[in-house]
Amino acid sequence: NAGVTQTPKFRVLKTGQSMTLLCAQDMNHEYMYWYRQDPGMGLRLIHYSVGEGTTAKGEVPDGYNVSRLKKQNFLLGLESAAPSQTSVYFCASSYSSGQGLAGAFFGQGTRLTVV
Amino acid sequence: AQSVTQLDSQVPVFEEAPVELRCNYSSSVSVYLFWYVQYPNQGLQLLLKYLSGSTLVKSINGFEAEFNKSQTSFHLRKPSVHISDTAEYFCAVSRVDLSGNTPLVFGKGTRLSVIA
Repeated sequence: NAGVTQTPKFRVLKTGQSMTLLCAQDMNHEYMYWYRQDPGMGLRLIHYSVGEGTTAKGEVPDGYNVSRLKKQNFLLGLESAAPSQTSVYFCASSYSSGQGLAGAFFGQGTRLTVV
Repeated sequence: AQSVTQLDSQVPVFEEAPVELRCNYSSSVSVYLFWYVQYPNQGLQLLLKYLSGSTLVKSINGFEAEFNKSQTSFHLRKPSVHISDTAEYFCAVSRVDLSGNTPLVFGKGTRLSVIA
């Protein structure tokens, strides 16, 4: 049972390049999330999804887009990368209400550097 | 909107000494509270949670946290720490409304360093 898998684990981009981070979960969770982690800032929510075909903005959505075409996958896109997007990105998933009391399960993270 | 404050960014402590990591939250509605642990170069793992009922919750590795509604706190404690407890600890809050769970809101983290 893989849980939450993020691809890739590391990436270096040049300013202005685009890329997509992939998150896959095999727990049949309804909810999925993208967070970014920066030193001294904790984890901040970028976007999230409460079900297939739905997405919503989090605390820091600017410069990112997401898609949830399949229940098990949640993609995070950077259309034109900026140095301020250098961060560690975490995907997470959880059940919806009721079962969601179990908390969220996290992937291992993607370390992105924009030069 | 909820927010979480972790009062200490770094906590050094000697091995086998007790430790307390402080967490305060603000919310106008009832919340669920979580502590997550992050070991170096890894993702976050759920350590323990408060949902309802007993205000004292415990993890399998000796940590405990107590929900204090009047002080809006959820401090994490361990009576005797080990080197292996060295990690970053995050307090998080969520609430349930009619549309379902809300995403977790995290504090900025507390780096626990256990010294031999």
